[in-house]
Amino acid sequence: KAGVTQTPRYLIKTRGQQVTLSCSPISGHRSVSWYQQTPGQGLQFLFEYFSETQRNKGNFPGRFSGRQFSNSRSEMNVSTLELGDSALYLCASSLTSSGGGYTFGSGTRLTVV
Amino acid sequence: SQKIEQNSEALNIQEGKTATLTCNYTNYSPAYLQWYRQDPGRGPVFLLLIRENEKEKRKERLKVTFDTTLKQSLFHITASQPADSATYLCALEYGGSQGNLIFGKGTKLSVKP
Repeated sequence: KAGVTQTPRYLIKTRGQQVTLSCSPISGHRSVSWYQQTPGQGLQFLFEYFSETQRNKGNFPGRFSGRQFSNSRSEMNVSTLELGDSALYLCASSLTSSGGGYTFGSGTRLTVV
Repeated sequence: SQKIEQNSEALNIQEGKTATLTCNYTNYSPAYLQWYRQDPGRGPVFLLLIRENEKEKRKERLKVTFDTTLKQSLFHITASQPADSATYLCALEYGGSQGNLIFGKGTKLSVKP
């Protein structure tokens, strides 16, 4: 079966711009989580969606937002980009939202210049 | 707040030996503790999950132990191979966490031929 697909793989944006990242989960998986990975902070949880509803949110500013569509595909948006937003953004899907392993995509490498 | 530490940033071992990685946490024990492997530029790959009421879990050459008294998990790779070289991440998952995994910073394992 196809894995978790994230697009685009690489992105370069200018400070102040906004960006939208996309994630297609494994077919049948309804839970989609987003993480930011940086060398200094490691993997940090952004938010989780289940059946189009955001059920959990990490400690990130309101510039970070997301949504999930009826087919479980998810997007995350970052507005007013800052240099510190440069990171690998990872999406993970799961059949349930607890007690099972998560399948991660390969991520989107965002560079803000 | 919950803290999770993986004791070694890097671990170098000889092929054929057993690699042992450590994960320690503070505060209360998670419902599940998970281990992931991450290769450069890729998303984490789920390896094993152990529940708080389990002491040990095995999968092929991998073994995970979970000691809620010590607040520690050990991850073992027996008969290690150069292909096992990667960064290994431990992650805590609490009941009802809704996609929020708390990750350690990881241990970079290098297996030399």
